[in-house]
Amino acid sequence: GAVVSQHPSWVICKSGTSVKIECRSLDFQATTMFWYRQFPKQSLMLMATSNEGSKATYEQGVEKDKFLINHASLTLSTLTVTSAHPEDSSFYICSASLRLATDTQYFGPGTRLTVL
Amino acid sequence: RKEVEQDPGPFNVPEGATVAFNCTYSNSASQSFFWYRQDCRKEPKLLMSVYSSGNEDGRFTAQLNRASQYISLLIRDSKLSDSATYLCVVNGGSQGNLIFGKGTKLSVKP
Repeated sequence: GAVVSQHPSWVICKSGTSVKIECRSLDFQATTMFWYRQFPKQSLMLMATSNEGSKATYEQGVEKDKFLINHASLTLSTLTVTSAHPEDSSFYICSASLRLATDTQYFGPGTRLTVL
Repeated sequence: RKEVEQDPGPFNVPEGATVAFNCTYSNSASQSFFWYRQDCRKEPKLLMSVYSSGNEDGRFTAQLNRASQYISLLIRDSKLSDSATYLCVVNGGSQGNLIFGKGTKLSVKP
């Protein structure tokens, strides 16, 4: 159990376009979902925490107007990278937990974004 | 001091070797500790939680020293399939969220 999917698994886009990444919990309802970013040879960095039906909480240094997060249901959260630039190229990973941020997190397979 | 600090490695060991990884964390209020495994270009997968009394899962043993804010992972009889990056993870963010170390790379050779 506790499977999280992400779509797409990889995307290549031109600079200036927007990219939407979906994160779904397939067999459980996730009250809390997390979005991480990982640059090569770096640790996973939390970008934001989202709770179903409320606004996401962004970590310091993450622009909320650039990285739009919508957690409209207990099984779906989306991250939209608006006006993407080459420096946004990274591995974006979501995770989901049942209730609290301190519950076990189940990770999606990640989305590799390359902005040309 | 970084929130979660690990030796990046790489650790290159022969099959059958015993290898140990260490990790230190800065937030003394942290309550949950984990080791994750991440393969190249993949998502992290939970290897094991770490309990105060120490715990073992097959060839893997994890230990926690709260006084020193130190966590360890011991892998015995290493296999080729153990080659991966091992992430030390601590809960300790403002909402109790997870803080990841950069990971220690392990390469097991035949």
